[in-house]
Amino acid sequence: DAKTTQPPSMDCAEGRAANLPCNHSTISGNEYVYWYRQIHSQGPQYIIHGLKNNETNEMASLIITEDRKSSTLILPHATLRDTAVYYCIVRVDDGSARQLTFGSGTQLTVLP
Amino acid sequence: EADIYQTPRYLVIGTGKKITLECSQTMGHDKMYWYQQDPGMELHLIHYSYGVNSTEKGDLSSESTVSRIRTEHFPLTLESARPSHTSQYLCASSDPTANTYEQYFGPGTRLTVT
Repeated sequence: DAKTTQPPSMDCAEGRAANLPCNHSTISGNEYVYWYRQIHSQGPQYIIHGLKNNETNEMASLIITEDRKSSTLILPHATLRDTAVYYCIVRVDDGSARQLTFGSGTQLTVLP
Repeated sequence: EADIYQTPRYLVIGTGKKITLECSQTMGHDKMYWYQQDPGMELHLIHYSYGVNSTEKGDLSSESTVSRIRTEHFPLTLESARPSHTSQYLCASSDPTANTYEQYFGPGTRLTVT
Protein backbone atom coordinates (compact mmCIF):
# COMPACT_ATOMS: atom_id res chain seq x y z
CA ASP A 1 0.00 0.00 0.00
CA ALA A 2 1.25 3.47 -0.90
CA LYS A 3 2.55 5.71 1.86
CA THR A 4 0.92 9.09 2.41
CA THR A 5 2.30 12.33 3.81
CA GLN A 6 0.14 14.98 5.45
CA PRO A 7 0.98 18.16 7.38
CA PRO A 8 0.62 17.53 11.11
CA SER A 9 -1.69 20.46 11.76
CA MET A 10 -3.68 23.24 10.11
CA ASP A 11 -5.96 26.04 11.26
CA CYS A 12 -8.95 27.38 9.40
CA ALA A 13 -11.36 30.20 10.15
CA GLU A 14 -14.97 29.23 10.64
CA GLY A 15 -16.97 29.67 7.44
CA ARG A 16 -13.91 29.51 5.23
CA ALA A 17 -12.87 26.62 3.03
CA ALA A 18 -10.44 24.16 4.59
CA ASN A 19 -8.01 22.66 2.09
CA LEU A 20 -6.18 19.61 3.41
CA PRO A 21 -3.32 18.29 1.25
CA CYS A 22 -2.01 14.76 0.98
CA ASN A 23 1.00 13.47 -0.93
CA HIS A 24 1.00 9.89 -2.22
CA SER A 25 3.77 9.92 -4.78
CA THR A 26 4.14 6.11 -4.85
CA ILE A 27 0.46 5.44 -5.57
CA SER A 28 -0.17 2.68 -8.07
CA GLY A 29 -2.79 2.66 -10.79
CA ASN A 30 -5.39 0.59 -8.95
CA GLU A 31 -5.14 2.30 -5.58
CA TYR A 32 -7.95 4.51 -4.36
CA VAL A 33 -7.54 7.62 -2.20
CA TYR A 34 -9.77 7.61 0.89
CA TRP A 35 -10.34 10.31 3.45
CA TYR A 36 -11.55 9.76 6.99
CA ARG A 37 -11.70 11.94 10.04
CA GLN A 38 -11.77 11.20 13.73
CA ILE A 39 -13.13 13.59 16.28
CA HIS A 40 -11.62 13.14 19.71
CA SER A 41 -12.79 9.91 21.39
CA GLN A 42 -15.27 9.11 18.63
CA GLY A 43 -15.23 6.47 15.90
CA PRO A 44 -13.70 7.35 12.54
CA GLN A 45 -16.01 8.88 9.97
CA TYR A 46 -15.73 8.09 6.28
CA ILE A 47 -15.69 11.28 4.20
CA ILE A 48 -15.00 10.53 0.55
CA HIS A 49 -12.88 8.49 -1.82
CA GLY A 50 -11.75 8.60 -5.43
CA LEU A 51 -9.59 6.90 -8.01
CA LYS A 52 -8.63 9.55 -10.54
CA ASN A 53 -11.57 11.85 -11.09
CA ASN A 54 -12.50 14.64 -8.72
CA GLU A 55 -15.34 13.71 -6.41
CA THR A 56 -17.89 15.69 -4.43
CA ASN A 57 -20.46 14.68 -1.86
CA GLU A 58 -22.47 16.41 0.82
CA MET A 59 -19.49 16.58 3.15
CA ALA A 60 -16.53 17.51 0.98
CA SER A 61 -14.78 17.60 -2.36
CA LEU A 62 -11.75 15.57 -3.34
CA ILE A 63 -9.36 16.92 -5.92
CA ILE A 64 -6.82 14.43 -7.27
CA THR A 65 -3.98 15.71 -9.44
CA GLU A 66 -3.67 14.37 -12.95
CA ASP A 67 -0.55 12.34 -12.08
CA ARG A 68 -2.39 11.08 -8.94
CA LYS A 69 0.63 11.82 -6.76
CA SER A 70 -1.27 14.17 -4.50
CA SER A 71 -4.79 15.12 -3.53
CA THR A 72 -6.65 17.79 -1.60
CA LEU A 73 -9.69 17.40 0.58
CA ILE A 74 -11.83 20.52 0.58
CA LEU A 75 -14.40 21.33 3.26
CA PRO A 76 -16.15 24.24 1.57
CA HIS A 77 -17.49 26.03 4.66
CA ALA A 78 -15.71 24.78 7.75
CA THR A 79 -17.58 24.79 11.06
CA LEU A 80 -16.33 24.30 14.60
CA ARG A 81 -17.63 20.72 14.44
CA ASP A 82 -15.17 19.98 11.65
CA THR A 83 -12.30 20.18 14.13
CA ALA A 84 -10.80 16.68 13.97
CA VAL A 85 -7.85 14.66 12.79
CA TYR A 86 -8.13 14.02 9.05
CA TYR A 87 -6.57 10.92 7.54
CA CYS A 88 -5.70 10.28 3.93
CA ILE A 89 -5.13 6.62 3.06
CA VAL A 90 -4.38 4.87 -0.19
CA ARG A 91 -5.57 1.34 -0.73
CA VAL A 92 -6.29 -1.23 -3.39
CA ASP A 93 -9.86 -2.37 -3.20
CA ASP A 94 -9.72 -6.12 -3.79
CA GLY A 95 -13.02 -6.82 -2.05
CA SER A 96 -11.48 -8.57 0.94
CA ALA A 97 -11.77 -7.24 4.45
CA ARG A 98 -8.58 -5.42 5.25
CA GLN A 99 -7.41 -3.47 8.23
CA LEU A 100 -8.19 0.22 7.98
CA THR A 101 -4.83 1.72 8.96
CA PHE A 102 -4.40 5.42 9.49
CA GLY A 103 -1.14 7.32 9.52
CA SER A 104 -0.60 10.35 11.70
CA GLY A 105 -3.08 12.56 9.82
CA THR A 106 -3.66 16.31 9.96
CA GLN A 107 -5.14 17.92 13.04
CA LEU A 108 -7.53 20.52 11.65
CA THR A 109 -8.60 23.19 14.11
CA VAL A 110 -11.46 25.43 13.02
CA LEU A 111 -11.23 28.77 14.79
CA PRO A 112 -14.23 30.98 15.64
CA GLU B 1 -25.55 9.81 8.97
CA ALA B 2 -24.82 6.10 9.07
CA ASP B 3 -27.16 4.01 11.21
CA ILE B 4 -24.83 1.89 13.27
CA TYR B 5 -25.24 1.60 17.00
CA GLN B 6 -23.14 0.32 19.84
CA THR B 7 -24.08 -0.35 23.43
CA PRO B 8 -23.03 0.27 26.05
CA ARG B 9 -21.05 3.44 25.31
CA TYR B 10 -19.08 3.08 28.52
CA LEU B 11 -18.53 0.00 30.68
CA VAL B 12 -16.51 -0.44 33.86
CA ILE B 13 -16.36 -4.04 35.00
CA GLY B 14 -14.33 -6.24 37.31
CA THR B 15 -11.79 -8.85 36.30
CA GLY B 16 -13.23 -12.25 35.41
CA LYS B 17 -16.66 -11.06 34.34
CA LYS B 18 -18.21 -12.08 31.04
CA ILE B 19 -19.25 -9.18 28.85
CA THR B 20 -20.95 -8.73 25.51
CA LEU B 21 -20.59 -5.57 23.47
CA GLU B 22 -23.51 -4.99 21.14
CA CYS B 23 -23.34 -3.66 17.60
CA SER B 24 -26.30 -3.22 15.28
CA GLN B 25 -26.75 -1.58 11.90
CA THR B 26 -29.91 -0.85 9.99
CA MET B 27 -28.35 -0.37 6.56
CA GLY B 28 -28.50 -4.02 5.50
CA HIS B 29 -24.71 -4.14 5.14
CA ASP B 30 -23.25 -7.63 4.78
CA LYS B 31 -19.72 -6.73 5.90
CA MET B 32 -19.11 -5.86 9.52
CA TYR B 33 -15.94 -5.26 11.51
CA TRP B 34 -14.67 -4.90 15.07
CA TYR B 35 -11.68 -2.69 15.76
CA GLN B 36 -9.78 -2.01 18.94
CA GLN B 37 -8.20 1.39 19.52
CA ASP B 38 -6.26 2.73 22.48
CA PRO B 39 -6.21 6.53 23.02
CA GLY B 40 -4.05 8.26 20.44
CA MET B 41 -3.12 4.95 18.85
CA GLU B 42 -3.92 3.18 15.62
CA LEU B 43 -7.02 1.16 14.86
CA HIS B 44 -6.52 -2.60 14.95
CA LEU B 45 -8.92 -4.98 13.21
CA ILE B 46 -9.81 -7.86 15.55
CA HIS B 47 -12.79 -9.50 13.84
CA TYR B 48 -14.76 -9.24 10.63
CA SER B 49 -17.70 -10.87 8.93
CA TYR B 50 -18.79 -11.09 5.32
CA GLY B 51 -22.34 -12.03 6.20
CA VAL B 52 -24.57 -14.30 8.29
CA ASN B 53 -22.65 -17.25 9.77
CA SER B 54 -19.35 -15.83 8.54
CA THR B 55 -16.75 -14.67 11.07
CA GLU B 56 -13.00 -14.28 10.73
CA LYS B 57 -10.19 -13.10 12.98
CA GLY B 58 -8.53 -9.84 12.06
CA ASP B 59 -4.93 -8.75 12.00
CA LEU B 60 -4.66 -8.29 15.77
CA SER B 61 -5.05 -11.37 17.91
CA SER B 62 -7.86 -11.00 20.43
CA GLU B 63 -9.30 -13.19 23.17
CA SER B 64 -12.78 -11.99 22.24
CA THR B 65 -15.25 -13.93 20.10
CA VAL B 66 -17.99 -12.76 17.75
CA SER B 67 -21.12 -14.17 16.20
CA ARG B 68 -23.24 -13.23 13.19
CA ILE B 69 -26.63 -14.85 13.37
CA ARG B 70 -28.48 -11.92 11.84
CA THR B 71 -27.29 -9.48 9.20
CA GLU B 72 -27.89 -6.46 11.38
CA HIS B 73 -26.27 -7.75 14.57
CA PHE B 74 -22.58 -8.45 15.31
CA PRO B 75 -21.95 -8.83 19.05
CA LEU B 76 -18.51 -9.23 20.59
CA THR B 77 -18.02 -11.33 23.74
CA LEU B 78 -15.25 -11.53 26.28
CA GLU B 79 -15.69 -14.67 28.42
CA SER B 80 -13.43 -13.44 31.21
CA ALA B 81 -12.47 -9.78 31.19
CA ARG B 82 -8.96 -8.75 32.21
CA PRO B 83 -7.34 -5.33 32.71
CA SER B 84 -5.42 -5.85 29.44
CA HIS B 85 -8.79 -5.74 27.65
CA THR B 86 -9.24 -2.11 28.66
CA SER B 87 -9.61 -0.21 25.39
CA GLN B 88 -12.11 1.37 23.01
CA TYR B 89 -13.97 -1.09 20.78
CA LEU B 90 -15.33 0.22 17.51
CA CYS B 91 -17.80 -1.56 15.26
CA ALA B 92 -18.10 -0.75 11.56
CA SER B 93 -19.98 -1.96 8.52
CA SER B 94 -19.75 -1.63 4.77
CA ASP B 95 -21.93 -2.33 1.78
CA PRO B 96 -20.50 -5.19 -0.30
CA THR B 97 -21.35 -3.30 -3.49
CA ALA B 98 -19.26 -0.35 -2.31
CA ASN B 99 -15.50 -0.11 -1.87
CA THR B 100 -14.15 -2.15 1.05
CA TYR B 101 -12.67 0.88 2.78
CA GLU B 102 -15.88 2.88 2.71
CA GLN B 103 -16.71 1.81 6.24
CA TYR B 104 -19.23 3.34 8.62
CA PHE B 105 -18.38 3.33 12.29
CA GLY B 106 -20.46 3.26 15.42
CA PRO B 107 -19.72 5.58 18.36
CA GLY B 108 -17.63 2.96 20.14
CA THR B 109 -17.67 1.27 23.55
CA ARG B 110 -15.05 2.40 26.01
CA LEU B 111 -14.29 -0.61 28.22
CA THR B 112 -12.43 -0.40 31.51
CA VAL B 113 -11.62 -3.62 33.36
CA THR B 114 -10.58 -3.11 36.97
